[in-house]
Amino acid sequence: DTEVTQTPKHLVMGMTNKKSLKCEQHMGHRAMYWYKQKAKKPPELMFVYSYEKLSINESVPSRFSPECPNSSLLNLHLHALQPEDSALYLCASSPWTSGASNEQFFGPGTRLTVL
Amino acid sequence: ELKVEQNPLFLSMQEGKNYTIYCNYSTTSDRLYWYRQDPGKSLESLFVLLSNGAVKQEGRLMASLDTKARLSTLHITAAVHDLSATYFCAVPGGSTLGRLYFGRGTQLTVWP
Repeated sequence: DTEVTQTPKHLVMGMTNKKSLKCEQHMGHRAMYWYKQKAKKPPELMFVYSYEKLSINESVPSRFSPECPNSSLLNLHLHALQPEDSALYLCASSPWTSGASNEQFFGPGTRLTVL
Repeated sequence: ELKVEQNPLFLSMQEGKNYTIYCNYSTTSDRLYWYRQDPGKSLESLFVLLSNGAVKQEGRLMASLDTKARLSTLHITAAVHDLSATYFCAVPGGSTLGRLYFGRGTQLTVWP
């Protein structure tokens, strides 16, 4: 299995809702990432987990809460979002080993709309 | 902080023509990645360049890396409409393992 999967593909939520985004990979990668991408902009890094531990948090608002239950799964819990949080949310994974290319492989993304 | 500059940001070219996209970065890195993104879709890995002088080719696209000049190029040969997409270069960030610094992207449109 050489892909990263994300669910759901699309999500519409109100500002008072709680929802979660899910990401899964079975490539044995030990690093997983969340990115946010607005239209016509490059992806912005939000969080990095390496060996199931949070290693980078890019000062993301607390209404976004990441979770890494195991080395294959990554969740992003959403609560009390704002309309400006509407974006494409991308998950990625990489090997995280010295000597490897550490290329990041991206999932198909979740298109989030906050009303 | 590492800075990555791509140019041009917008490229409109006729089918059959050749063109080069440039990616400059501000601090030392021995590797660079190129990604393609179609509208509304995710990022697809195109090339992984792992050393100075690396050159990789796939179809009508060829990428190269000059780590001394801190420059990568993505050359398009005999463009076709299917190449229309946004192309990003990305450089691993310095001492922070896992961080990728992206260029702003080049939006390529190929017209008949």
